[in-house]
Amino acid sequence: DAMVIQNPRYQVTQFGKPVTLSCSQTLNHNVMYWYQQKSSQAPKLLFHYYDKDFNNEADTPDNFQSRRPNTSFCFLDIRSPGLGDAAMYLCATSSGTSGRDEQFFGPGTRLTVL
Amino acid sequence: GEDVEQSLFLSVREGDSSVINCTYTDSSSTYLYWYKQEPGAGLQLLTYIFSNMDMKQDQRLTVLLNKKDKHLSLRIADTQTGDSAIYFCAGFQGGYNKLIFGAGTRLAVHP
Repeated sequence: DAMVIQNPRYQVTQFGKPVTLSCSQTLNHNVMYWYQQKSSQAPKLLFHYYDKDFNNEADTPDNFQSRRPNTSFCFLDIRSPGLGDAAMYLCATSSGTSGRDEQFFGPGTRLTVL
Repeated sequence: GEDVEQSLFLSVREGDSSVINCTYTDSSSTYLYWYKQEPGAGLQLLTYIFSNMDMKQDQRLTVLLNKKDKHLSLRIADTQTGDSAIYFCAGFQGGYNKLIFGAGTRLAVHP
């Protein structure tokens, strides 16, 4: 089945220690998104790639970076995780960025910062 | 910017109807969505409604949109235990080409 895969499902890191979360897709979609979802809060868009074009949200901290080496993979890098970065990180993909283009979500990676 | 609000929790008896409500602030949202999140899984699109519609029905699901009050609801008929999940309302912010989510409503279905 075509799908969005996130690895690892659970990630524990230490305060200030860089961490990378991975997302891959078999849908061959042009757009890949990263969302941050804190406990009992709405998923919040951090940034997205349309093909190789990177689109950062204005309020995304500089501590968060992303890479998309090819169509299938996208990475979220947190350079110096703080306690406030503990959250579920959701990856999503879509064929385009219009309202008609459904976003398909992966199961998420739960990040714990010690 | 867009703000989307939902009540956090709803409990219903199996076989009853569930109604999950959502309010939004951006009247220019062209599409409004309902997503379902089961434990350990990603968000799954359940249904959506275009802003020029008042109602959309899809099997057990009915979406009602009141544009004047900026109110969206999702009705699940004959609610089953398998419907237990978190339901997210989201609006599409056309000027920014992005989804704005509510915090989610946790639906608990009991016998």
